[in-house]
Amino acid sequence: QSMLTQPPSLSTAPGQKVTISCSGSSSNIGTYYVSWYQQFPGTAPKLLIYENNKRPSGIPDRFSGSKSGTSATLGITGLQTGDEADYYCGTWDRSLSAGVFGGGTKLTVL
Amino acid sequence: QITLKESGPMLVKPTQTLTLTCTFSGFSLTTTGVGVGWVRQPPGKALEWLALIYWNDEKRYSPSLESRITITKDTSKNQVVLTMTNMDPVDAATYFCAHRPPGNYVFDFWGQGTLVTVSS
Repeated sequence: QSMLTQPPSLSTAPGQKVTISCSGSSSNIGTYYVSWYQQFPGTAPKLLIYENNKRPSGIPDRFSGSKSGTSATLGITGLQTGDEADYYCGTWDRSLSAGVFGGGTKLTVL
Repeated sequence: QITLKESGPMLVKPTQTLTLTCTFSGFSLTTTGVGVGWVRQPPGKALEWLALIYWNDEKRYSPSLESRITITKDTSKNQVVLTMTNMDPVDAATYFCAHRPPGNYVFDFWGQGTLVTVSS
């Protein structure tokens, strides 16, 4: 069972906007930056968002991140079928002295 | 350009020890703040954080696996090694290594992953 809670799946239509939530606690999200990763089947995760809301070079501004208290959110606008993937949140946990990931959200765009 | 690549056996028997090597380029594990970590993903399941080694040889482990895993580095070879003892079929997964940049608990570059099966 993951320390960070995400909805297992979301479905939306092309062109729409979606938000993926990630809920944690004071020992992880409440204290540390949150990052988000995108993963297509059979490939390695790719960093989408770091330090809650920053995008690495090459990540379009359709992807955004935010954090409030012990929860974080990934937003994707102008959804495309190519955005169909699994999305994971991640951060550090002070109590564990280890990194933690969410359980992942499978995004379907149809 | 940072790259990482995992290598090791594709198949191990139950109770055996797994040894995986991450060979990287484009950065040095002697640079202050840099780290290399391991993450695994059982088929169809979520990512699981395993271990992290820092430039100064500090190490962090997942508490649930700490008794079974060891992470080490060889800076002269640009390699990080993960060993996991007493392998079980539930340990079957794709194992990824990844780069941790200075000052941030994030993995910004990942290897392609290596699939490990545990079966007799």
